[in-house]
Amino acid sequence: DAMVIQNPRYQVTQFGKPVTLSCSQTLNHNVMYWYQQKSSQAPKLLFHYYDKDFNNEADTPDNFQSRRPNTSFCFLDIRSPGLGDAAMYLCATSSGTGVGGYTFGSGTRLTVV
Amino acid sequence: GQQLNQSPQSMFIQEGEDVSMNCTSSSIFNTWLWYKQEPGEGPVLLIALYKAGELTSNGRLTAQFGITRKDSFLNISASIPSDVGIYFCAGFSGAGSYQLTFGKGTKLSVIP
Repeated sequence: DAMVIQNPRYQVTQFGKPVTLSCSQTLNHNVMYWYQQKSSQAPKLLFHYYDKDFNNEADTPDNFQSRRPNTSFCFLDIRSPGLGDAAMYLCATSSGTGVGGYTFGSGTRLTVV
Repeated sequence: GQQLNQSPQSMFIQEGEDVSMNCTSSSIFNTWLWYKQEPGEGPVLLIALYKAGELTSNGRLTAQFGITRKDSFLNISASIPSDVGIYFCAGFSGAGSYQLTFGKGTKLSVIP
């Protein structure tokens, strides 16, 4: 089945220690998105890649970076995680045409200790 | 930017009851989507609507794309405990738009 896979499902990191979350897709979608979701809130878009073009949301902190080395993979790097960065991080993909919506991964639950 | 106003914020219902939730916007949307998110999981697409007036069913779920293109509703009939979760409406606005706008979600609790 075509899907979006996020690894790991759960990540514990130390305050200030860089951490990388990964996302892969088998849908061959053009667009990959990273969202941050805190408890019982709507997902908040951090940034997205349309093919190789990176698009950062204006209010995304510099602490968050992303890489997309190829169509299938996208990474979220948190350079110096703070306690406030503890959240569920969701990766999503779309065709970029507006049809079919987004396909989400199962998310990575990040805990900062 | 566009905003989607989703209501109610939360619902507690008895098993077997029908549920209705809706989403409104001050601007026109070309596509309406309804997602369900269970605890610890990513959102899963339930229903996609592409035309004004469209009424689409998926099992016990029915959703409609409002005629004005500024609203959508989702109904769940004969609720069961596994319907528990957060339901998000979302939409694409503007031709060629690929950026989804999300509602704040409706948290559904079903009492057996």
